[in-house]
Amino acid sequence: DAGITQSPRHKVTETGTPVTLRCHQTENHRYMYWYRQDPGHGLRLIHYSYGVKDTDKGEVSDGYSVSRSKTEDFLLTLESATSSQTSVYFCATQGSYGYTFGSGTRLTVV
Amino acid sequence: GENVEQHPSTLSVQEGDSAVIKCTYSDSASNYFPWYKQELGKRPQLIIDIRSNVGEKKDQRIAVTLNKTAKHFSLHITETQPEDSAVYFCAAILAGNQFYFGTGTSLTVIP
Repeated sequence: DAGITQSPRHKVTETGTPVTLRCHQTENHRYMYWYRQDPGHGLRLIHYSYGVKDTDKGEVSDGYSVSRSKTEDFLLTLESATSSQTSVYFCATQGSYGYTFGSGTRLTVV
Repeated sequence: GENVEQHPSTLSVQEGDSAVIKCTYSDSASNYFPWYKQELGKRPQLIIDIRSNVGEKKDQRIAVTLNKTAKHFSLHITETQPEDSAVYFCAAILAGNQFYFGTGTSLTVIP
């Protein structure tokens, strides 16, 4: 789906460093979400946004922050990366037919 | 919030057989139940959904049933094919915009 893109696709970072993941959508959807996917846990919500500068926490928000300064961009920041944050991160937007997911970012914290 | 449980976590079937994946939810206010398919290394994609005012929905070889009284819903895949091999996620949404996902079922179709 060209309507939602994530960057980078892969990243390796060191423990303690800050990391920012970007989600960009061209669908003008109001709602955007960040999930992490881990074996045995499925998809868990980190943070979501319901409009520009309007965000809220999900079930696994500790250690993460988000920002949304424009409708099309939703940034996820790991303030000080830890090994437990090694995961695949998916951004999603909500349109008329439920969620559309981005291609994911595979983050490895070493 | 909502709590969605999904079973089984892994499922193997012979090609041509049927596969059934079941999910239960906890909040009776949930009103929308989508199913996503995720192939290896790819993003989850919506394959079928059902709303709380409908008991069953079909789309070719896949169908979803909903029992609101028991608070469970199921995905049925008939005449399975190797390309059906993937991880399947159920989800439930309250009268809002947060999806609560099950933990996924890894389906393997054996040729």
